[in-house]
Amino acid sequence: GQNIDQPTEMTATEGAIVQINCTYQTSGFNGLFWYQQHAGEAPTFLSYNVLDGLEEKGRFSSFLSRSKGYSYLLLKELQMKDSASYLCAVKEGGANNLFFGTGTRLTVIP
Amino acid sequence: DAGITQSPRHKVTETGTPVTLRCHQTENHRYMYWYRQDPGHGLRLIHYSYGVKDTDKGEVSDGYSVSRSKTEDFLLTLESATSSQTSVYFCAISESLDTQYFGPGTRLTVL
Repeated sequence: GQNIDQPTEMTATEGAIVQINCTYQTSGFNGLFWYQQHAGEAPTFLSYNVLDGLEEKGRFSSFLSRSKGYSYLLLKELQMKDSASYLCAVKEGGANNLFFGTGTRLTVIP
Repeated sequence: DAGITQSPRHKVTETGTPVTLRCHQTENHRYMYWYRQDPGHGLRLIHYSYGVKDTDKGEVSDGYSVSRSKTEDFLLTLESATSSQTSVYFCAISESLDTQYFGPGTRLTVL
């Protein structure tokens, strides 16, 4: 089965950097996704890691360590609009079924 | 943004009634998915499709059925709605076995 853990809530200050962690235990790991979801809206794709290391995309970066079952999403130069839930999802095996964590609700304060 | 629409966007129904939710895409993507999202559970896969008339069960398929008669449409049916099926339902699509793109969601309340 899957066991995906991420913190429930985090608060950070506008302009700062925040790191959202995700740990997982799964068989047949085949990739990890991060999605952003604003309240009342659909999840939107942020990043996809299948190999170890850091993927950078503008203000957002995502890191993966497969041996440790660990990923993080790094948000730099935080803006008020970054207040949202961030969902970690793991893909198993050859199918495209994603297993989601419960999400981390980030609040950015002035 | 991927061209995905869901209908209806909101629905209130009574226990025991049948309900059908529709997902429509204009991207001609092969794979389509139905998820539900509940507090404390995250997104959970109900059913998915890997082509016309080809569907399979997901993690929480009991009480749900699906049909895909055309590439662009994926229907989710609750044969006899129960209060435990009150949720937000999201459709997603993908072309290959990687990124999934989500529709706007349907909020369903079963009284």
